[in-house]
Amino acid sequence: AQKVTQAQTEISVVEKEDVTLDCVYETRDTTYYLFWYKQPPSGELVFLIRRNSFDEQNEISGRYSWNFQKSTSSFNFTITASQVVDSAVYFCAPGGNTDKLIFGTGTRLQVFP
Amino acid sequence: NAGVTQTPKFQVLKTGQSMTLQCAQDMNHEYMSWYRQDPGMGLRLIHYSVGAGITDQGEVPNGYNVSRSTTEDFPLRLLSAAPSQTSVYFCASSYGGSQYFGPGTRLLVL
Repeated sequence: AQKVTQAQTEISVVEKEDVTLDCVYETRDTTYYLFWYKQPPSGELVFLIRRNSFDEQNEISGRYSWNFQKSTSSFNFTITASQVVDSAVYFCAPGGNTDKLIFGTGTRLQVFP
Repeated sequence: NAGVTQTPKFQVLKTGQSMTLQCAQDMNHEYMSWYRQDPGMGLRLIHYSVGAGITDQGEVPNGYNVSRSTTEDFPLRLLSAAPSQTSVYFCASSYGGSQYFGPGTRLLVL
């Protein structure tokens, strides 16, 4: 069974601050995927990133970066120089060998001007 | 490509009524799934399908039926709606582990 914990319920920052969203997961699968999704106030789910469990290379994409550490079962997400448009709920979701995802309860990020 | 489409966008039902939430995808994905999202919660898997003619239960299947007669369509049926089924419903299709979500259907059961 899989489980994901997003301990931060809500984070508030001022524009241009960096912010890191934490995600800790549990899985018994030997290979799995990890996802981050963004849900803005409009309600749709926006795919941000997918990581394979055998690929621990961290990635930077524009203002976004991800830190995957298999040894601690963590998959943290950082926004650099946050903007008001980043305000949303962010979900971490591990997926096993099938395509079933288990979603965390989400972290609500509010970026104030 | 339209991606994943869902209809209706919003629906109000009375307790005991039945209805079908429609989901269609034009990406020829084998895997499709239905999730529900309750206020302040993440998404929970209701049912999923790994291909036409094959469906299985997810985490919260009670009160819902599904069928998959074609690759493109994956309708979700509520046979007798209950207030506890008030939620936002998301359909998704996936390929190679990447899931693409529809815009959601907001359902209110009175």
